[in-house]
Amino acid sequence: AQSVAQPEDQVNVAEGNPLTVKCTYSVSGNPYLFWYVQYPNRGLQFLLKYITGDNLVKGSYGFEAEFNKSQTSFHLKKPSALVSDSALYFCAFAAVKAAGNKLTFGGGTRVLVKP
Amino acid sequence: NAGVTQTPKFQVLKTGQSMTLQCAQDMNHEYMSWYRQDPGMGLRLIHYSVGAGITDQGEVPNGYNVSRSTTEDFPLRLLSAAPSQTSVYFCASSRQGARTDTQYFGPGTRLTVL
Repeated sequence: AQSVAQPEDQVNVAEGNPLTVKCTYSVSGNPYLFWYVQYPNRGLQFLLKYITGDNLVKGSYGFEAEFNKSQTSFHLKKPSALVSDSALYFCAFAAVKAAGNKLTFGGGTRVLVKP
Repeated sequence: NAGVTQTPKFQVLKTGQSMTLQCAQDMNHEYMSWYRQDPGMGLRLIHYSVGAGITDQGEVPNGYNVSRSTTEDFPLRLLSAAPSQTSVYFCASSRQGARTDTQYFGPGTRLTVL
């Protein structure tokens, strides 16, 4: 079955340090990959997406993600983390033949940025 | 624009009760979806709609019904609530399908079934 996996339940990082949130995918064909963020007691917000083209995708709030086909990964990165980046991050994909607007999500990674 | 709105924010039901979770969007989006969020499982698609009058099942449709009589509204009905339906429910909308378009999520409804 096609899926995305987020191997870390939680990532702890000090403010000002680089932040990486990992995502690997198992999707046939060309995957459409997304990152969403959920702040406490809020709905999900779109960060960025990869459909085709440059492997490095830039998104909102200074985040970027690198699509790596050989490693089937789509890790989310930020060069310098802020306390306000503390949230729940979800990797997701839309299959090429997905009906309607189905997104399949990973289990989520909680990010805690300490001052 | 209010975006995607959901009511109620919180709800407690007893097993066997029925209720409707409301979802509305004011962005004239054709695509709307309902997801449930459970710890460690991400979001799972319950039902979706690609336009008024058109709905289809997602990954976990059992125990839920939907209808789409207008572009704006997409209510989710729990016919006979069960404790397994305790979850946080999110409604989402987009102009086009998820492959190419950003989905906008509502703030969620936290449902507890006793």
